This record gives sequence, C-alpha cells and structure tokens, in this order.
Amino acid sequence: DQQVKQNSPSLSVQEGRISILNCDYTNSMFDYFLWYKKYPAEGPTFLISISSIKDKNEDGRFTVFLNKSAKHLSLHIVPSQPGDSAVYFCAASGSYTGTASKLTFGTGTRLQVTL
Amino acid sequence: NAGVTQTPKFRVLKTGQSMTLLCAQDMNHEYMYWYRQDPGMGLRLIHYSVGEGTTAKGEVPDGYNVSRLKKQNFLLGLESAAPSQTSVYFCASSYGVGARGETQYFGPGTRLLVL
Repeated sequence: DQQVKQNSPSLSVQEGRISILNCDYTNSMFDYFLWYKKYPAEGPTFLISISSIKDKNEDGRFTVFLNKSAKHLSLHIVPSQPGDSAVYFCAASGSYTGTASKLTFGTGTRLQVTL
Repeated sequence: NAGVTQTPKFRVLKTGQSMTLLCAQDMNHEYMYWYRQDPGMGLRLIHYSVGEGTTAKGEVPDGYNVSRLKKQNFLLGLESAAPSQTSVYFCASSYGVGARGETQYFGPGTRLLVL
C-alpha cells in the first residue's frame, strides 16, 4: 500500500521555465512533508519542507504547496536550471508514528531540464 | 563536518556470505536509519534507532540485523546474503525531535550486488 505517491516517473522542462512536481498521499495522519533531491551515485539531499499548519513554504527558487483537503503537495521550481536535473523524492511523516521521526517516501520523479 | 559517511561504497557478495555496512555521523544526531532503494520502489526503511543502544524494525527488516553501540555509528548486518538483497543502501540521521527534527540527512550510499 503506497501511502505516498508520485505518479509521474519523469518530467522534462526547458531551462528558465517552471517545473512542477506532484505528490499525493493517502494517510491523513501525516503532518510534515519534505522534498529531497538526488543526483546519480549520491545520497538524497534535503531540499524543502512544509508543516501541515501551512499551505505554502518558499526558499529561493523552490516553493512547496500543500493542499490538505486534496492530500496533495507540489514542488515548484522557478526558473528551472540544468543543475536541477535530478530525481526528486517526496516524503511524509506523522507524529502518530511515535518517538521516531519515520519518513515514508514516494517513488521519485526524474526531472530533466533541457537547454 | 563530514556529515553522514558510509563504508564500503561498493561490494560484491556471493549468496550465503555475510557482511556489515558501517554508517557514521558527526552531527550528534540521536536518530539513525537504514534504507534500501530499489528501482521503482523509492526508499524503504529497514531498521532505525532512536538512540545509543536501541534499535527497531522498519518496513522491510527481514534478513538484516543492526546495532547502535555508539551514538555516532549504526551498523547494518547481512548474516546470509541473498540475491534479493542486491540494492543500494542508504544510511540517514536526524535530531528526531524539535524544530525540523524530522529532517533526515543521508550518506552517499553503498551499492551491494549479491550473486
């Protein structure tokens, strides 16, 4: 049972345009969401996060939007740059899980930014 | 700060052999995690630890054991390797509690091939 879903395995965007990566979740107990970026042969690196008490969080070119009623979040990258080409993972956690801050990951979306 | 480091980077095992993967972090994080990443599956939690001397099972713990004898180290053991354990293994750590406690920081990964 995939609780965090990234339905688009890949996305291609032109340099300078907006990249929009989507993520859906099924568990209403999730209250914290994160995006990670992963280059080949490297570990995932934290990009941006959002708490369920907010509906938007911005950090430079990266903005995450959360729609709790739709159980949907999205990552916007504006403007997209070639260095943004990577696999992006959506992850979620919930305080209901107990003492450990366990993350549930989506399957990832490969973003390619073309010149 | 080296962050999270993993040893070795790559290993080839024969079915039935054993090995230990070492993870070390220098961020004084309480929580540590082991994940495996397989194509199309995202990252799946194997085992985790909420502090020195503690361990707990994650989503896919079968065939693996872990130990956390020191706060900065988290070891993942395979007692009798199977081809199904061919994967990329990532270690991560986090503060676990407090502001942004859920944010996990990942190592570069260990690529394991079991023949």
